[in-house]
Amino acid sequence: DQQVKQNSPSLSVQEGRISILNCDYTNSMFDYFLWYKKYPAEGPTFLISISSIKDKNEDGRFTVFLNKSAKHLSLHIVPSQPGDSAVYFCAARPLLTGNQFYFGTGTSLTVIP
Amino acid sequence: NAGVTQTPKFQVLKTGQSMTLQCAQDMNHNSMYWYRQDPGMGLRLIYYSASEGTTDKGEVPNGYNVSRLNKREFSLRLESAAPSQTSVYFCASRQPTGANVLTFGAGSRLTVL
Repeated sequence: DQQVKQNSPSLSVQEGRISILNCDYTNSMFDYFLWYKKYPAEGPTFLISISSIKDKNEDGRFTVFLNKSAKHLSLHIVPSQPGDSAVYFCAARPLLTGNQFYFGTGTSLTVIP
Repeated sequence: NAGVTQTPKFQVLKTGQSMTLQCAQDMNHNSMYWYRQDPGMGLRLIYYSASEGTTDKGEVPNGYNVSRLNKREFSLRLESAAPSQTSVYFCASRQPTGANVLTFGAGSRLTVL
């Protein structure tokens, strides 16, 4: 059973506009959340993370928001650039079994020039 | 620094054949992981090794075995390959002390006919 879900397989956004990628999770024991970016034929690379004690973390054009009551997190990219076109995975780590990371199914973002 | 290196990058097998995917990291990380990526399924954890000498099952361990040869190397073996094991396999490593980020290799694409 998928514990981390990304319900939008794809998203298209105009260059310069905001991209919002969403992620939902079911396990209330998750305490750390990450976003990874993946280009074709490459491995995923770390983008940004957030601890469950925070509700927002910002790094340049990327901001992650966490809503624990809704078990929902989102990644905002502002402004979107063509180089942001990639597959984005959200991931979560549970507090008690801290070595395991659970990933979502991914959202393919296309930024249109 | 090479980071995480996986070999081979591509492999075609016939049903019933065996093979081993190799993974090595040069970052002195303690924990290592094997994931598989399938369309619509995201990244799913096969096995992980929290430290040298230990291995644990992940979400989808059936049909696989692993060996943590030393701190640097973590191999994944398919004893009798099945078409359902056609996938892209990613190895990752993590330094657990104060770190929650996985560093991935470039992936190994396996096709089982």
